[in-house]
Amino acid sequence: AQSVTQPDIHITVSEGASLELRCNYSYGATPYLFWYVQSPGQGLQLLLKYFSGDTLVQGIKGFEAEFKRSQSSFNLRKPSVHWSDAAEYFCAVGLSYNTDKLIFGTGTRLQVFP
Amino acid sequence: DVKVTQSSRYLVKRTGEKVFLECVQDMDHENMFWYRQDPGLGLRLIYFSYDVKMKEKGDIPEGYSVSREKKERFSLILESASTNQTSMYLCASSSSGTDHHEQYFGPGTRLTVT
Repeated sequence: AQSVTQPDIHITVSEGASLELRCNYSYGATPYLFWYVQSPGQGLQLLLKYFSGDTLVQGIKGFEAEFKRSQSSFNLRKPSVHWSDAAEYFCAVGLSYNTDKLIFGTGTRLQVFP
Repeated sequence: DVKVTQSSRYLVKRTGEKVFLECVQDMDHENMFWYRQDPGLGLRLIYFSYDVKMKEKGDIPEGYSVSREKKERFSLILESASTNQTSMYLCASSSSGTDHHEQYFGPGTRLTVT
């Protein structure tokens, strides 16, 4: 069955440090890939997405993600974390052109220390 | 900007009550979704609708029903609320066009069933 794995439940970084959040998926073809962020008490906001083309995609708030087909991964990165980045991050995949549903990972909670 | 609104941010209901959660989107999207979010489980799809009066079960439809009488409105109904339905409920919408996997989320309704 198709699945999305975010192996890190909770990550703590210092402000200004670099960040990488991991996402792996299980699917036979190239999926549509998304990263969403959820601030406390809020809904989800789209950070970035990959449909095709350049495997390094840029998003909002200085985030980027790289699709690696050989590793079935779509890791999220930021070179320098700000305190306002503290939130929960969800990776999601859309499986094919013919379905509009997404499968979400279980999320990674990011804590930022000053 | 796409706007998805949910009727309540917080709701407290008693066991056995019938509960209605309302969601409205203003971007003429064909697709609408209801998820529940629980710690450690990520987002799980309850139901989705791809057109007025059309619906499809998601991964956890038991105990829930939905209604979509107008394109912009998608209601989630708990026929007889139970304590295990205490959760955060998120509504989302997406178009059936080119970016049909990209979902836009409302702020969520935190439901407590006592």
